[in-house]
Amino acid sequence: KAGVTQTPRYLIKTRGQQVTLSCSPISGHRSVSWYQQTPGQGLQFLFEYFSETQRNKGNFPGRFSGRQFSNSRSEMNVSTLELGDSALYLCASTDPGLENNEQFFGPGTRLTVL
Amino acid sequence: ILNVEQSPQSLHVQEGDSTNFTCSFPSSNFYALHWYRWETAKSPEALFVMTLNGDEKKKGRISATLNTKEGYSYLYIKGSQPEDSATYLCAFDSGGGADGLTFGKGTHLIIQP
Repeated sequence: KAGVTQTPRYLIKTRGQQVTLSCSPISGHRSVSWYQQTPGQGLQFLFEYFSETQRNKGNFPGRFSGRQFSNSRSEMNVSTLELGDSALYLCASTDPGLENNEQFFGPGTRLTVL
Repeated sequence: ILNVEQSPQSLHVQEGDSTNFTCSFPSSNFYALHWYRWETAKSPEALFVMTLNGDEKKKGRISATLNTKEGYSYLYIKGSQPEDSATYLCAFDSGGGADGLTFGKGTHLIIQP
């Protein structure tokens, strides 16, 4: 099976712009979670989507949003970008049928905000 | 706010030596503890998902133990090899709660030939 893929891998934007990142889960996985990693911080949970519905949400401002499509692919959107949004954004997929909530991660999208 | 701590933050080990590091996590609302191995520019790779107190899991030269009552897990690497160089992450899982997986900041392991 192909792994979790994320596009683009690298992105440069300027303050005030918006950005959309994409995540394709492993085939058959219906849950996609998004995480942010900034320098010196652990991975911070953004949100989780399951069967096209947001199931959980982390402590991030409303500028961070996401959605999931019927094929389980997910996108996250960040509006009105700030310098502090520069980070590595990872997505992970899983499925309730998997033992112990095992999560599979993509390689991430590196976002730089200038 | 859940607190997951990993120590040490970084570690230099001679090739062939064995090493271990620690993950501490809340002892309440525990569902699972995940260990990941993360090499630069690659995807984090799942090593273990541990759920039972006292559990010990092994994959090749890497093993992990779990103590849910006191809230800690150890990861052991026996006979370190250069390819073991990576950042090792642990993540606390409360079982589908609003926090997702709560990650520590990782232990950055460097194996010196």
